[in-house]
Amino acid sequence: KAGVTQTPRYLIKTRGQQVTLSCSPISGHRSVSWYQQTPGQGLQFLFEYFSETQRNKGNFPGRFSGRQFSNSRSEMNVSTLELGDSALYLCASKGVGGNTIYFGEGSWLTVV
Amino acid sequence: GIQVEQSPPDLILQEGANSTLRCNFSDSVNNLQWFHQNPWGQLINLFYIPSGTKQNGRLSATTVATERYSLLYISSSQTTDSGVYFCAVEKGGSEKLVFGKGTKLTVNP
Repeated sequence: KAGVTQTPRYLIKTRGQQVTLSCSPISGHRSVSWYQQTPGQGLQFLFEYFSETQRNKGNFPGRFSGRQFSNSRSEMNVSTLELGDSALYLCASKGVGGNTIYFGEGSWLTVV
Repeated sequence: GIQVEQSPPDLILQEGANSTLRCNFSDSVNNLQWFHQNPWGQLINLFYIPSGTKQNGRLSATTVATERYSLLYISSSQTTDSGVYFCAVEKGGSEKLVFGKGTKLTVNP
């Protein structure tokens, strides 16, 4: 079956703009989580959704937000972009009762 | 919060060599996974191994939960094994993975 799909794969934005990233989990998976990867901070947890509810949130400013739809697809939004938001944003999904977390290919965001 | 330390940070091998990567964590966990990040950025799941030993081809992993460490063994390494290997843990039911900083493996032909 298809893996975790993230779009867009690459994007360039200007400081002050906002961006929306999309994630489609593996079919049947209801848990979707997001991570930010930067050279300086490594991989950091952003938030996790299950059945349209945010269950956990990482230590990021309110400019970072997300949501999950009834079909388990998820979006994350970053408003008022800063240069430091340049990163690889990774989405992951997990099945109900499952233990293994599967990642998508990520969205590379560059803020100029 | 829980701390995850990986060693060594960098490892350079010749093709055919064996290697051991280590992951230490600071608290009890209910989930531990090893990932390989490919050059395109995707994290490929290698093992879910909160305790015990597993093997998959040339790769194997062992987690000693009581001593809070995990080891990833790569035997007869190939150039395609190059990349960054991450250990990630989850405590309780947080649904949040905490990652180590990774081990960058370079396998030369």
